[in-house]
Amino acid sequence: EPEVTQTPSHQVTQMGQEVILRCVPISNHLYFYWYRQILGQKVEFLVSFYNNEISEKSEIFDDQFSVERPDGSNFTLKIRSTKLEDSAMYFCASSPEIGSFYGYTFGSGTRLTVV
Amino acid sequence: AQTVTQSQPEMSVQEAETVTLSCTYDTSESDYYLFWYKQPPSRQMILVIRQEAYKQQNATENRFSVNFQKAAKSFSLKISDSQLGDAAMYFCAYGETGANSKLTFGKGITLSVRP
Repeated sequence: EPEVTQTPSHQVTQMGQEVILRCVPISNHLYFYWYRQILGQKVEFLVSFYNNEISEKSEIFDDQFSVERPDGSNFTLKIRSTKLEDSAMYFCASSPEIGSFYGYTFGSGTRLTVV
Repeated sequence: AQTVTQSQPEMSVQEAETVTLSCTYDTSESDYYLFWYKQPPSRQMILVIRQEAYKQQNATENRFSVNFQKAAKSFSLKISDSQLGDAAMYFCAYGETGANSKLTFGKGITLSVRP
């Protein structure tokens, strides 16, 4: 069964450093998402991406965050200057179409720890 | 904005028994999707079951079934013949059709299964 792959599974970074989280969506999917889950809390939507541009972002997704699809297969989330409160699980998801949620698939997540 | 409420933080069930997890949501839309996701200790997000709001019939997937009450905006998950492997965090989620297919999650419920 096709999978969404996220790397690394766990990343530790120093406060103030830039970090890039990587995702390889399912190959025929067109819509891409990032979600965040602070430990013990609910999963929250960060951003959706389609046709090489952001289609929607939440208020969490401020200027510290950016996304791109650099090479047609990877989908990345960059945090420019990490803060302690950025420590969380970050999930990538992809979908082949909009609106029906068929095939909507999550990756296994990257645990980001900011020290 | 849509909200999803899971008011029970924890539940426990005896192995082989049945348990029901509650979820309510708020929306002004008439067409949408509802989901239950399972998150084991590995923190991967696993889709358990989905329900399309326009379908009156409650969704079922093997031991998992839902009770979807559209007028009451209630969406509960019933797990029959509970197994030790069912122990996990369970999240209820809402997805709006059209738009950008983002998901809105509840806070989750921790289910433990007693042998």
